[in-house]
Amino acid sequence: GAVVSQHPSWVICKSGTSVKIECRSLDFQATTMFWYRQFPKQSLMLMATSNEGSKATYEQGVEKDKFLINHASLTLSTLTVTSAHPEDSSFYICSAVTAGGGEQYFGPGTRLTVT
Amino acid sequence: DAKTTQPTSMDCAEGRAANLPCNHSTISGNEYVYWYRQIHSQGPQYIIHGLKNNETNEMASLIITEDRKSSTLILPHATLRDTAVYYCIVRVDESGGSNYKLTFGKGTLLTVNP
Repeated sequence: GAVVSQHPSWVICKSGTSVKIECRSLDFQATTMFWYRQFPKQSLMLMATSNEGSKATYEQGVEKDKFLINHASLTLSTLTVTSAHPEDSSFYICSAVTAGGGEQYFGPGTRLTVT
Repeated sequence: DAKTTQPTSMDCAEGRAANLPCNHSTISGNEYVYWYRQIHSQGPQYIIHGLKNNETNEMASLIITEDRKSSTLILPHATLRDTAVYYCIVRVDESGGSNYKLTFGKGTLLTVNP
């Protein structure tokens, strides 16, 4: 089946630094990837839609200058949290849709802790 | 996308069938019903989806009412590993970027007890 990986699986960083999270579709090409954020005991909240070769589309209330998304190839999207603050601590999950459309496959998530 | 309503939590005995209901009374004709589940601290896992006919795969069965206003996900023989939050989502199935968006509600926490 379709596999999506994320790296790193967890990261601790200091306030003010930037952190990059990678999302890869391992055995399929993904024209569209999504980035979600999930706070403890809450549901997934969509942050942005990432389309290969074009700018990401951000959901209302998500700061595009703070959460930089790059989708440079059909198998890789990256999310960079810039100038991280403790309130950015969360579980970040990406997903990918196959080039032909259909089911959305999710990565295992990245736990970010900002101290 | 249409909204869905699910019970907050349910319990099921191991080995028994787990029936998870979902109400989607405002679903449109071109919207599919998708089910995902999320085991604690993992990414969501696709289970099944359907339009109007009942569907079955190796994981579960999906029963959609004739008026499509509600559906039930059935896990025929629940195991302890099926303990998870189950999300019912309705979504259009047209190709193109944002059409693939999934809007997650709060889901149902299914606890399978030994």
